[in-house]
Amino acid sequence: KQEVTQIPAALSVPEGENLVLNCSFTDSAIYNLQWFRQDPGKGLTSLLLIQSSQREQTSGRLNASLDKSSGRSTLYIAASQPGDSATYLCAVSDGTASKLTFGTGTRLQVTL
Amino acid sequence: GAVVSQHPSWVICKSGTSVKIECRSLDFQATTMFWYRQFPKQSLMLMATSNEGSKATYEQGVEKDKFLINHASLTLSTLTVTSAHPEDSSFYICSARAPGETQYFGPGTRLLVL
Repeated sequence: KQEVTQIPAALSVPEGENLVLNCSFTDSAIYNLQWFRQDPGKGLTSLLLIQSSQREQTSGRLNASLDKSSGRSTLYIAASQPGDSATYLCAVSDGTASKLTFGTGTRLQVTL
Repeated sequence: GAVVSQHPSWVICKSGTSVKIECRSLDFQATTMFWYRQFPKQSLMLMATSNEGSKATYEQGVEKDKFLINHASLTLSTLTVTSAHPEDSSFYICSARAPGETQYFGPGTRLLVL
């Protein structure tokens, strides 16, 4: 059974700092990996999707990497802003590209 | 991007009543829809996968007679929580997927059972 873990569970940084969120998964037989953002009481916003054959994806200040063999992914956020405050979830898709297994989430707070 | 809506956005009901939650794909045809549940400060847990026109596949530990899922059309899936109890209070999120595409998530429905 796939298990996805995210470290740290919570993180508070001052505005402007660069930061890294970590995601690890136990079964490397994944189809793809996604990073999502969730604001309190809201649904999910997809940030980046990395196919299993890819190493990284970039979108603006966000960069996600994937090391499938070691079961790890990182989300790098450059020049953090208070508007980045949210919970960040990573999720892996199984070999049939259907089921998503979500990580435990990292709750990020960017302070002024 | 593709849009998925959920209705209602939140509901409060008495213990023992049934609650229906709708999930709609507004601008694409979703052959597969997923239902997730999220308890406070926890991650999303997949409850079931539904394919249009067929019975839903439930994850281990999810009671199919309690959580009735209907996916009667390519744009609509419903989740009915039957005889809801306080322990069913949670945030329910659906997602929809077209063939070969990624999942698009709805905004969620918060259920509070008194």
